[in-house]
Amino acid sequence: DIQMTQSPASLSASLGETVTIECLASEDIYSNLAWYQQKPGKSPQLLIYYANSLNDGVPSRFSGSGSGTQYSLKINSLQSEDVSIYFCQQNYDSPFTFGSGTKLEIK
Amino acid sequence: EVQLVESGGGLVQPGRSLKLSCAASGFTFSDYAMAWVRQAPKKGLEWVATIIYDGSSTYYRDSVKGRFTISRDNAKSTLYLQMDSLRSEDTATYYCARHSTPFDYWGQGVMVTVSS
Repeated sequence: DIQMTQSPASLSASLGETVTIECLASEDIYSNLAWYQQKPGKSPQLLIYYANSLNDGVPSRFSGSGSGTQYSLKINSLQSEDVSIYFCQQNYDSPFTFGSGTKLEIK
Repeated sequence: EVQLVESGGGLVQPGRSLKLSCAASGFTFSDYAMAWVRQAPKKGLEWVATIIYDGSSTYYRDSVKGRFTISRDNAKSTLYLQMDSLRSEDTATYYCARHSTPFDYWGQGVMVTVSS
């Protein structure tokens, strides 16, 4: 199985700051990487697919990058509504595995 | 608007069975693979199973193989998950998701609690 190591586990930042979340795959996943946002008490929502493609309706302050085994999600100009847990996920091979999540809070 | 609405969850004893349903609307259901993803309380996300658009192929995580069966009725735009021989470790919120590589739409989830 492909292991997805996500860091950090939690993150606290101020409004307007830029934050970055990292995801490391245990093998090359050829950019088959998605990022999801899960707000408290809600189901996950797709943010980014194929490593850097922004899903419809997602604010442009979210961006994804990376290739091979290393990927990142960047959030510019942090807003209060960005308080969530963020998960990465590989779509390259079954079982389709997720990272353990990053809990983002506002300072 | 794409909508996925799960039903059928509840409290069940270990070793018993439960069947989840997911009613889809707002897209051509028969064009898409569909999946179940679960999330244990306060835990991360775990893919459970996927069925391709016409139901001819299915895929499962190892821990549910032989116990869970994913199926679909394209005429009713409905996805199912038959869960047999349930274990305490199957306790989770189960989400239905459109598996468009990635999971691009999710339902609101249904809670399954396995406990005596």
